[in-house]
Formats: sequence, C-alpha cells, structure tokens
Amino acid sequence: NAGVTQTPKFRVLKTGQSMTLLCAQDMNHEYMYWYRQDPGMGLRLIHYSVGEGTTAKGEVPDGYNVSRLKKQNFLLGLESAAPSQTSVYFCASREGVSFHNEQFFGPGTRLTVL
Amino acid sequence: GQQLNQSPQSMFIQEGEDVSMNCTSSSIFNTWLWYKQDPGEGPVLLIALYKAGELTSNGRLTAQFGITRKDSFLNISASIPSDVGIYFCAGQRTNAGKSTFGDGTTLTVKP
Repeated sequence: NAGVTQTPKFRVLKTGQSMTLLCAQDMNHEYMYWYRQDPGMGLRLIHYSVGEGTTAKGEVPDGYNVSRLKKQNFLLGLESAAPSQTSVYFCASREGVSFHNEQFFGPGTRLTVL
Repeated sequence: GQQLNQSPQSMFIQEGEDVSMNCTSSSIFNTWLWYKQDPGEGPVLLIALYKAGELTSNGRLTAQFGITRKDSFLNISASIPSDVGIYFCAGQRTNAGKSTFGDGTTLTVKP
C-alpha cells in the first residue's frame, strides 16, 4: 500500500514551458487535492476533486488546470509556467465526505521555474 | 482568502521543556487540525478537533478547539529531539475537506 505518490519529485522549467504533475493514490479515496507551499508559508489549496470526473477551484487556481479522469489519479497542469509558480506542490487524498476523514499527503514535488 | 494567524513563528527550546503554540482566525471553523511536517515530506496529521471546547490528547500532545470556534492551541509536553519540525494548524469549514493552513511554527529542540 503506497499511499499517495507524486511524480516527479523535482523539476526545473523555463518560463513559458508546460508540464503535468501526477498524483496517484491506492486507497480508493474519493477526494483529492492539490496544494502549493511557498517558503515560510502554509499550504494553499489550488484545485480539488470530490470524485472521478469532477474538479473544483481552490484558493489559488489561476495558472493551473487539473483533471481526474481516473479515481486514483489527479493531474495538475501548468500550461505556461511562470517564476511565481516556483513552489513545492503537495497532493492529498481523503476517503470521503465525513469531517472525520483524514487527508493523507504525498511527499511533494519541488518545481523551479527560471 | 481566509487567513489563519499562527504563533509563534519559531521556537528554540531545551529538551524536556513544554511547548505551546496557537492559531487564531477572524472567522469560525468547524474542524481544527494540527499537522507536523518534516523536511522534504508532506504534512502528517497529529490531532483533529471537531467540537467547540473539545480537548484532545495524543501522547505528549494536547490540543483544544476554542469555544468561539475561531482559535485552537497545541501543547507539547516534555519535548524530545524528534519533535523538531514545522507544526501547522489548519481549519475546515465544510465537509469537502478544503483546509486553510496557518504559516507554521518551526520548532527546534536543543539536546
């Protein structure tokens, strides 16, 4: 049981390049989330999904797109990377709708945009 | 967006000392969460609080959900070197699990 995994672990992009971050979970969780964490700050929610085929905007969605074509995967896309998107990106998943369901976080992807 | 004010920003303590940190918000939350993050890893849940006034313990950790639902604190008793890390509070308003995070308290424990 791998939990939540993220690919890649590190990436360096040039301004204007595009890329996709992959999050996978093997816990059959309904809910998945993408957060970003900037130095000295807490995590901020980018987008989230409450089930396969659904997505919704979080606190800081601009410049990002997401897709949840399969229940176990949640993809985060950057169409045209900007230096302001340099950050550590964390994916999380959660079993379901109850307040008592815990979010499990992946190990993070460190992205640098030059 | 919503802000959580977490304090202190950092703490340097001696092994064996007790630690206290807190979070305040201008608006109410229905759930308060406390996480620990080690370098290069994602946050790990320490304690979850679901009711105003609730006091919950997890080993040497104790956390409380404020009566006003706008604040929470975390205490760590008899600190040890492995307590080193960044501690985050987070609040949730709905059952969709969308969390608003504080900026963290960095804890350093000197042996």
